[in-house]
Amino acid sequence: SQQGEEDPQALSIQEGENATMNCSYKTSINNLQWYRQNSGRGLVHLILIRSNEREKHSGRLRVTLDTSKKSSSLLITASRAADTASYFCAATNTGNQFYFGTGTSLTVIP
Amino acid sequence: SQTIHQWPATLVQPVGSPLSLECTVEGTSNPNLYWYRQAAGRGLQLLFYSVGIGQISSEVPQNLSASRPQDRQFILSSKKLLLSDSGFYLCAWMTRGLGGPDTQYFGPGTRLTVL
Repeated sequence: SQQGEEDPQALSIQEGENATMNCSYKTSINNLQWYRQNSGRGLVHLILIRSNEREKHSGRLRVTLDTSKKSSSLLITASRAADTASYFCAATNTGNQFYFGTGTSLTVIP
Repeated sequence: SQTIHQWPATLVQPVGSPLSLECTVEGTSNPNLYWYRQAAGRGLQLLFYSVGIGQISSEVPQNLSASRPQDRQFILSSKKLLLSDSGFYLCAWMTRGLGGPDTQYFGPGTRLTVL
């Protein structure tokens, strides 16, 4: 399976701290994306990084990609209580399918 | 702008009853469309995807089926629900960039409980 895997499965931090989540995947990719899901809601796209990129920033988000290790990380800086959610990585190849990981549940304590 | 709709938002059905979940997309044409299922506290399982009208690819053999009768309409169905069909069902559409798949945009989801 090409499914990604995130770790940790659950992460609890204090507001203002940084949160780092990791994702590993199993095969070659076209791009890798991170999504956020609030409880009981649909997924919201956060950021996309292409296979020829190594790092990307968007606001308080920083994503890195290491294709040699087949891994990616999502860093949320200066976390806020509103960042509490589940975060998923999704790997895509040149086909039509997305391969989602099992997610990291982030809790930011005010 | 593009919008994706799913309904109903919640559904409680008895075992053995039929199912029909509908998803429609506005503001785009010829999108790839997807149905996912998410068990409580788990990741997303791809059920079906469609690259065009009448074209359905099934990822997981089960008692569910999908149809795409119109370009921006995707329907998930079952003739007889099982307890194991309970879950959160998400519809999504995808853009394609020059290099291949791009971003998926998700609907709000349908919470299905089979009793």
